[in-house]
Amino acid sequence: GDSVTQMEGPVTLSEEAFLTINCTYTATGYPSLFWYVQYPGEGLQLLLKATKADDKGSNKGFEATYRKETTSFHLEKGSVQVSDSAVYFCALSYNNAGNMLTFGGGTRLMVKP
Amino acid sequence: DAGVTQSPTHLIKTRGQHVTLRCSPISGHKSVSWYQQVLGQGPQFIFQYYEKEERGRGNFPDRFSARQFPNYSSELNVNALLLGDSALYLCASSLRTGGNLQPQHFGDGTRLSIL
Repeated sequence: GDSVTQMEGPVTLSEEAFLTINCTYTATGYPSLFWYVQYPGEGLQLLLKATKADDKGSNKGFEATYRKETTSFHLEKGSVQVSDSAVYFCALSYNNAGNMLTFGGGTRLMVKP
Repeated sequence: DAGVTQSPTHLIKTRGQHVTLRCSPISGHKSVSWYQQVLGQGPQFIFQYYEKEERGRGNFPDRFSARQFPNYSSELNVNALLLGDSALYLCASSLRTGGNLQPQHFGDGTRLSIL
């Protein structure tokens, strides 16, 4: 079956550091890929998505590129802020809108001032 | 506009009991999905309903069931509760435009604890 694997956290960074959160997937078809963010005490929010190979999703300074050859969708940000502290989930779906999602286990990011 | 609302926010039950969780989608959204998020793990898809019909089901036992009402709100029912059912249950709704579903909006969840 399909699955998503993320690097284990927590990831602890200082403000303005470069962020990478690794995500790889196993899929029987050609899914769309997503990153969701969960801030403390809040529900999941869609951060960015990519619907086909070599697409780059970007939002709020975050970006991720759909790499079919390495089955990866790593999340990056050039300069993190304290407000980026949250749990980040990588997910796949066979629906471009992201319904019936398969999620990874999540990676907690802690950014220190 | 109100977001996806779920009730109750917290619930404590004992093993063997039954529970009903409720979800009201964003106004105009006709698709509702349910996910289970065990502490420290990613959410797992349980059900999707659209126009009151089940459109998708995840790998959960028959103790889990759901339905969608004419006003598009939804209930998730779990029978014969087990300790392993302790989790955050998330509801998400989405809009269908031009024949395509749009990205989901998630509620804040119901925290279910089984003693």
